[in-house]
Amino acid sequence: GEDVEQSLFLSVREGDSSVINCTYTDSSSTYLYWYKQEPGAGLQLLTYIFSNMDMKQDQRLTVLLNKKDKHLSLRIADTQTGDSAIYFCAERGSGNTGKLIFGQGTTLQVKP
Amino acid sequence: SQTIHQWPATLVQPVGSPLSLECTVEGTSNPNLYWYRQAAGRGLQLLFYSVGIGQISSEVPQNLSASRPQDRQFILSSKKLLLSDSGFYLCAWSSQGRGPLNYGYTFGSGTRLTVV
Repeated sequence: GEDVEQSLFLSVREGDSSVINCTYTDSSSTYLYWYKQEPGAGLQLLTYIFSNMDMKQDQRLTVLLNKKDKHLSLRIADTQTGDSAIYFCAERGSGNTGKLIFGQGTTLQVKP
Repeated sequence: SQTIHQWPATLVQPVGSPLSLECTVEGTSNPNLYWYRQAAGRGLQLLFYSVGIGQISSEVPQNLSASRPQDRQFILSSKKLLLSDSGFYLCAWSSQGRGPLNYGYTFGSGTRLTVV
């Protein structure tokens, strides 16, 4: 079945780079997404990548996709305290329902 | 532009009382609609999704039900709340169009439900 796994916690110092990792199982996934959830709020779409790409950069965010290993990562350059949040990766399932399959979320703690 | 509204923002209900959470989407038609629960600020559990009026799919057996009486209205209900129903409830929508931005979800701001 479809499954998405993430590490639960990451702590970095302000100004360092953060790398959040994700693995997925559905090899037919077409799009993979990264969402950010700040405390007490809904999830906000950060970025996405198409499965035939291996990298996508958007300002401080870099998404790397290794389709062979089914591994996705989100790199945040020059991490700021405002980046502290829970980050979810998600894959679009292969069925026709359009459902996204979410990982359990990685809590990013940025220390000043 | 499309917007999603979810209310109330917080709710404290006694065990055994009924529940009704409402979600509405504006600026689009025939959206896919989803209800998620997030327990203890962690992962998302898909509760229900709907691809059209009156079409509800349940992901997990539970004390809750969902209804879609109108195209852009999605309601989460319970007849008798349990303590285990406490959590953060999120509504989301996606377009039935093609392409990554249509496939991606837009989430509401959530309802914090505490059952006491």
